[in-house]
Amino acid sequence: GQNIDQPTEMTATEGAIVQINCTYQTSGFNGLFWYQQHAGEAPTFLSYNVLDGLEEKGRFSSFLSRSKGYSYLLLKELQMKDSASYLCAVMDSNYQLIWGAGTKLIIKP
Amino acid sequence: DTEVTQTPKHLVMGMTNKKSLKCEQHMGHRAMYWYKQKAKKPPELMFVYSYEKLSINESVPSRFSPECPNSSLLNLHLHALQPEDSALYLCASSQDEHSGANVLTFGAGSRLTVL
Repeated sequence: GQNIDQPTEMTATEGAIVQINCTYQTSGFNGLFWYQQHAGEAPTFLSYNVLDGLEEKGRFSSFLSRSKGYSYLLLKELQMKDSASYLCAVMDSNYQLIWGAGTKLIIKP
Repeated sequence: DTEVTQTPKHLVMGMTNKKSLKCEQHMGHRAMYWYKQKAKKPPELMFVYSYEKLSINESVPSRFSPECPNSSLLNLHLHALQPEDSALYLCASSQDEHSGANVLTFGAGSRLTVL
């Protein structure tokens, strides 16, 4: 079966750094996506990784290791507005998106 | 225009009503999607249209009926829904269904309550 695991909830302090992990087992691999979703709103695209390594985009970075079936999203200089759910999704060999359950990130002052 | 527009934002309907959710994009995307999302759960794929043809129907009950009148519009017709169908319905679009970097752009969603 296809499976994506990520922690249910994490708490971090404003100004700090947090790493949200995602492990996956899917039928094939055509890339891994991270989306941010604020409560009651639509998901918004953060990053896409298809090759091993780190992709940096401002305060957010995403890492991929295909051999380990592992990714993480790194958020630096945390702000209160970063409180949201972070969804990891993998595109399988049929170009279907398999979604993780999401990690709720709580930022404390 | 880099947006997906969904209407209405909120909808309350009885189990015998017929209503429709509408979605529009003008990004030239050729794939459009309907997702259903319950609280604290990830989005759940319902339908995919690719080049205006139904590509995927994830065994969705017939009380949900999708329609793609043209490449910019996607509708979801609702009839005889159940209270458990209450959820946030998300429309999304992407360049092409079968490409690797297939980034989905989501609309703000239509929050449906079935009484």
